[in-house]
Amino acid sequence: GAVVSQHPSRVICKSGTSVKIECRSLDFQATTMFWYRQFPKQSLMLMATSNEGSKATYEQGVEKDKFLINHASLTLSTLTVTSAHPEDSSFYICSASTVTARGADTQYFGPGTRLTVL
Amino acid sequence: GENVEQHPSTLSVQEGDSAVIKCTYSDSASNYFPWYKQELGKRPQLIIDIRSNVGEKKDQRIAVTLNKTAKHFSLHITETQPEDSAVYFCAASRGLSNFGNEKLTFGTGTRLTIIP
Repeated sequence: GAVVSQHPSRVICKSGTSVKIECRSLDFQATTMFWYRQFPKQSLMLMATSNEGSKATYEQGVEKDKFLINHASLTLSTLTVTSAHPEDSSFYICSASTVTARGADTQYFGPGTRLTVL
Repeated sequence: GENVEQHPSTLSVQEGDSAVIKCTYSDSASNYFPWYKQELGKRPQLIIDIRSNVGEKKDQRIAVTLNKTAKHFSLHITETQPEDSAVYFCAASRGLSNFGNEKLTFGTGTRLTIIP
């Protein structure tokens, strides 16, 4: 149980284009979804937190107009990187959490999306 | 906000020996402390977690200890095997809030290498 999928797994795009990444919880309803960015050999840096039906809460330094997050349902959140530039190249990972028998805090991660902007 | 420090950044251990990774946190309101294992290019996988109402938790070869007074927690892996080689991240969270689940703050990671 608690499977999170992410699509696409890998994307290469030209500078200036927009890229949409989908995150789905497959076998549970996610109360909250999180979006992270991970540069090579670094830790996971939280970009934003979103609850279904409400606006995302962005971390300091993350441009909300550049990284658009939509959490339209309890099983789907999307991250759109608008006008992507080479410095946006990174590994983007989502996670989802809900209330389970284990407790309310567990985050389950998607497989990640490797974005390369040329 | 929360700040989580993790040590060491790299750790090499002979197969069969034990490995210990330590983390400290700054927010006294944090009450949930998971550990994740991440292999190269893959998703972080939860290996064990502990909540603030207990001081120790064990799952086969893996154990976590928590000292809330000192604000530190540790991961212990015994009888290490080559497949334990990966990057390990600790994290801390305040748990549930009125708006949903609180965010995790991650440590900087420890690259563990098991030497056959």
